Amino acid sequence: ETVMTQSPATLSVSPGERATLSCRASQSVDSSLAWYQQKPGQAPRLLIYGASTRATGIPARFSGGGSGTEFTLTISSLQSEDFAIYHCQQYNNWPLTFGGGTKVEIK
Amino acid sequence: QVQLVESGGGVVQPGGSLRLSCVASGISFNFYGMHWVRQAPAKGLEWVAFIQNDEGINYNTESVKGRFTISRDNSKNTLYLQMDSLSVEDTAVYFCATNSGYGPHFVYWGQGTLVTVSS
Repeated sequence: ETVMTQSPATLSVSPGERATLSCRASQSVDSSLAWYQQKPGQAPRLLIYGASTRATGIPARFSGGGSGTEFTLTISSLQSEDFAIYHCQQYNNWPLTFGGGTKVEIK
Repeated sequence: QVQLVESGGGVVQPGGSLRLSCVASGISFNFYGMHWVRQAPAKGLEWVAFIQNDEGINYNTESVKGRFTISRDNSKNTLYLQMDSLSVEDTAVYFCATNSGYGPHFVYWGQGTLVTVSS
């Protein structure tokens, strides 16, 4: 099983600042990496797939990068609606696996 | 507008069974592979099972093999998850989600249904 590790667990950021979230895979997943945003009481929402492709309707302030085992999600200028939990997920290997999540909170 | 609506959750005793349903609208359901994903209280996401659009192939995560069965009825735009021999570790919100045409990740999600396994 491919273990996904996200860091940090919690990121405190002021509105308007940049946030960089990390996701590491225990083995290569090529570019088969997706990011999701989840707000309390809601289902996750797909942000990024293919490590760097924004899903339909996702603002340009969200960008993804990396390949192999190291990935990042960057939010260039945090808006109030961006404070949430972010999950990465690999889909190169079965079973599909998620990281433990990074909570982005208001500083 | 795409809608996925789960139902069938509730409280069940250890060793019991439940069947979850997910009704899809706003999409050509028979074109999409479908997944179940769960989230235990205050925990991360865990993929549970996948079924292809034509029911040809399905996969389960190891912890539910032999206990959970994913199925679908394309004539009813409905996905199912039959859950048997439930344990307290299966307590979670269960989400259904559509597969992507770009690899097995999750595009559209339902709102989830809560399954609580407790004596």
